[in-house]
Amino acid sequence: DAKTTQPNSMESNEEEPVHLPCNHSTISGTDYIHWYRQLPSQGPEYVIHGLTSNVNNRMASLAIAEDRKSSTLILHRATLRDAAVYYCILPQVGGAQKLVFGQGTRLTINP
Amino acid sequence: DAGITQSPRYKITETGRQVTLMCHQTWSHSYMFWYRQDLGHGLRLIYYSAAADITDKGEVPDGYVVSRSKTENFPLTLESATRSQTSVYFCASSPNRGRRETQYFGPGTRLLVL
Repeated sequence: DAKTTQPNSMESNEEEPVHLPCNHSTISGTDYIHWYRQLPSQGPEYVIHGLTSNVNNRMASLAIAEDRKSSTLILHRATLRDAAVYYCILPQVGGAQKLVFGQGTRLTINP
Repeated sequence: DAGITQSPRYKITETGRQVTLMCHQTWSHSYMFWYRQDLGHGLRLIYYSAAADITDKGEVPDGYVVSRSKTENFPLTLESATRSQTSVYFCASSPNRGRRETQYFGPGTRLLVL
């Protein structure tokens, strides 16, 4: 199974863009790149996913490198409510979709 | 529309007691999951279910039992609780099993085993 590597922590300021990197050098052609986040004392929540093309939704943008070996989650204007642990995951499929959560990146937003 | 709910939200029990954590979803999703989250570890899959009466083990199933008699419910039972099962438990659901599917998580149950 392909693995992902993320920085343990990042810090940014409110109302500034945040770029959260993820390396997945062993990604296969069929692997989707998913991002989830976990706010303090809550369950994880889906943020965005993509396969090859860059993706945008109301929460964030996902920029995928041309060789797909890395990706970047972009929060365009971070707010204090975006402070969370962000997980980059390549779901696997067996009897069910399997999400393997690593340590993620703890994002701190300064007012 | 409640989505996915878990009960109780907090539970304190003693070693050796049986504990059941409840999970209920209102979307009629086929797939349901139980994860545990401990300090120093990411979420780890305990059990999952592909449909009513179909369950299978995840990464850390020992000491847990699940059932799924109805699509909307997926209870997790600790038959004889141990201190090592102190953790935060999350239930999740998903409509299908494809690589691009989204899992929807509940708010979690914090379990303390004394």
